[in-house]
Amino acid sequence: QVQLMESGGGMVQPGRSLRLSCAASGFTFSDYGMHWVRQAPGKGLEWVAVIWQDGTNKYYADSVKGRFTISRDNSGDKLFLQMTSLRVEDTAVYYCVRDPNEYNSNYYGDSFDLWGQGTRVTVSS
Amino acid sequence: QTVVTQEPSFSVSPGGTVTLTCGLRSGSVSTSYFPSWYRQTPGQAPRTVIYSTTTRSYGVPDRFSGSIRGNKAALTITGAQADDTSDYYCVIYMGNGTWMFGGGTKLTVL
Repeated sequence: QVQLMESGGGMVQPGRSLRLSCAASGFTFSDYGMHWVRQAPGKGLEWVAVIWQDGTNKYYADSVKGRFTISRDNSGDKLFLQMTSLRVEDTAVYYCVRDPNEYNSNYYGDSFDLWGQGTRVTVSS
Repeated sequence: QTVVTQEPSFSVSPGGTVTLTCGLRSGSVSTSYFPSWYRQTPGQAPRTVIYSTTTRSYGVPDRFSGSIRGNKAALTITGAQADDTSDYYCVIYMGNGTWMFGGGTKLTVL
């Protein structure tokens, strides 16, 4: 079954760290770029970060740059998001999302073609 | 502030036609931004409607179409049905390795 399953969410105090994981199954994980997208309660979607197939190329939204790190383990079919210096405004459901395009190509494919069900992160004192 | 702009809400009667748009606060959206559209119902993950400006995702009915209208990307629903009621988000590739979602449009078919 082709799916993405996030884990690692929870409640954490401001300034602390949290690591999210996303387990991929049913497809060749290393063939795909991977994104994190988040959604604050009652708000819209916000793109967070992308990591391309070999893990070398990564990009971040300005709102998380320098605090979040995206990484992947192609041998274990997993995506990660290390979040540090967390802020109240980082409170959101975090989705991992698959991208079939190649890095630095024309992005004619559906850049967000498979979504996980999300993991909830709450940053509160 | 939201750089990618969408109408906050829209209402259409069943059987009617509605066009949602996706613009940039400064500049024009073109096919080079690979605009895509996703719909989301409460408690569910988003799913693709249109990607790369005009391509319908697998299983999406042909009453959904994507285009560029003037300086914006557009999602048109022709013959809207009640179950098209949803939040619709556009996303564009900013050209620097990053993407940006619009604020979303809450569409009601009633």
